[in-house]
Amino acid sequence: DAGVTQSPTHLIKTRGQQVTLRCSPKSGHDTVSWYQQALGQGPQFIFQYYEEEERQRGNFPDRFSGHQFPNYSSELNVNALLLGDSALYLCASSLRVARENSPLHFGNGTRLTVT
Amino acid sequence: EDKVVQSPLSLVVHEGDTVTLNCSYEVTNFRSLLWYKQEKKAPTFLFMLTSSGIEKKSGRLSSILDKKELFSILNITATQTGDSAVYLCAGTTSGTYKYIFGTGTRLKVLA
Repeated sequence: DAGVTQSPTHLIKTRGQQVTLRCSPKSGHDTVSWYQQALGQGPQFIFQYYEEEERQRGNFPDRFSGHQFPNYSSELNVNALLLGDSALYLCASSLRVARENSPLHFGNGTRLTVT
Repeated sequence: EDKVVQSPLSLVVHEGDTVTLNCSYEVTNFRSLLWYKQEKKAPTFLFMLTSSGIEKKSGRLSSILDKKELFSILNITATQTGDSAVYLCAGTTSGTYKYIFGTGTRLKVLA
């Protein structure tokens, strides 16, 4: 049973560039959430996707955008990178129908470094 | 603004010790509180608590929620070096989908 998989594992970008991170949810899950975890901090909610639509968004600027595909996989795009975007980006999946008692399952994350 | 506060921020103990990690929350329309263990990258699920006063237990780990006082504790008995990790607490609210995480407690267990 495949868990949540993310790619790439590490990424180094320059300020102003754009980046795309990818996530495949756990088998059987249909909802994908993205979190940003800065060093020494807890994860911060970016947004959640269900049925290929953004269902809820956290306090992140429009430079952060996403997409969900028909196979439930998802992408996170960040434009005009800033040094402060350096963080571990975590993808988490869950099952909408059972969401009341269904905890998020996290992937190993993508470590993004902006120089 | 919803927030979750964990204490202590870090903790160093010796193998065999018992530790208690604290999590207090101020979350409107509270739905549940969750504990995760983060060793290297992926937070792994430990417990979900929705009802006050009911202890959840898994091996040497246990957790309880006090909805009146708005806090939860995570207990680890007979600690082992493999328990070394960051322990994250998160609150959820009815009607939204986000988890509100605390900054975590970094636990180091010395042999």
